[in-house]
Amino acid sequence: KAGVTQTPRYLIKTRGQQVTLSCSPISGHRSVSWYQQTPGQGLQFLFEYFSETQRNKGNFPGRFSGRQFSNSRSEMNVSTLELGDSALYLCASSFRTASYEQYFGPGTRLTVT
Amino acid sequence: SQELEQSPQSLIVQEGKNLTINCTSSKTLYGLYWYKQKYGEGLIFLMMLQKGGEEKSHEKITAKLDEKKQQSSLHITASQPSHAGIYLCGAVRNTGNQFYFGTGTSLTVIP
Repeated sequence: KAGVTQTPRYLIKTRGQQVTLSCSPISGHRSVSWYQQTPGQGLQFLFEYFSETQRNKGNFPGRFSGRQFSNSRSEMNVSTLELGDSALYLCASSFRTASYEQYFGPGTRLTVT
Repeated sequence: SQELEQSPQSLIVQEGKNLTINCTSSKTLYGLYWYKQKYGEGLIFLMMLQKGGEEKSHEKITAKLDEKKQQSSLHITASQPSHAGIYLCGAVRNTGNQFYFGTGTSLTVIP
């Protein structure tokens, strides 16, 4: 079974631009969660999508948004990038919503200059 | 402040030594999960603890949950370079079903 894949793996953007990250979950998994990891704040929950609906949302500004498609693939969008958005963005998939049994992708390293 | 505080923040040990990482919660725990992350990569699930006093082991890693103290410990016996990485504890909020993580402990094992 293929694992969780994230594209792209690395990304460099300029302040003010927007970015879209993609996550393909493990086949059969309907839940996709997104996390932001930074040295200062650690690993923080962004949001979770299950069956194309946002089920949970963390404490992030509205510039961070996401969606999930009918094939469970998910995208995360960050608009009007700020320097502080530089981070490793991880997605995790699971069979059920809010499940600890999450399988993580390798992450997308976003650098904002 | 973080709801899950881990200590120590970083650890450097000689290969073969034992070590312990602690995870303390500021709120009641309804289950505690341990993950390992290789630098710059995704997380790997290690084990889950649900009941007070529960102890689980996988190879040379043992985790315990002390519900009264709202604390969990992860103990590695006879550490190896393959144990190096960032160890994170995690929990699920009883409201909102959000998964959240501890501050992380960076482990370096010197051969």
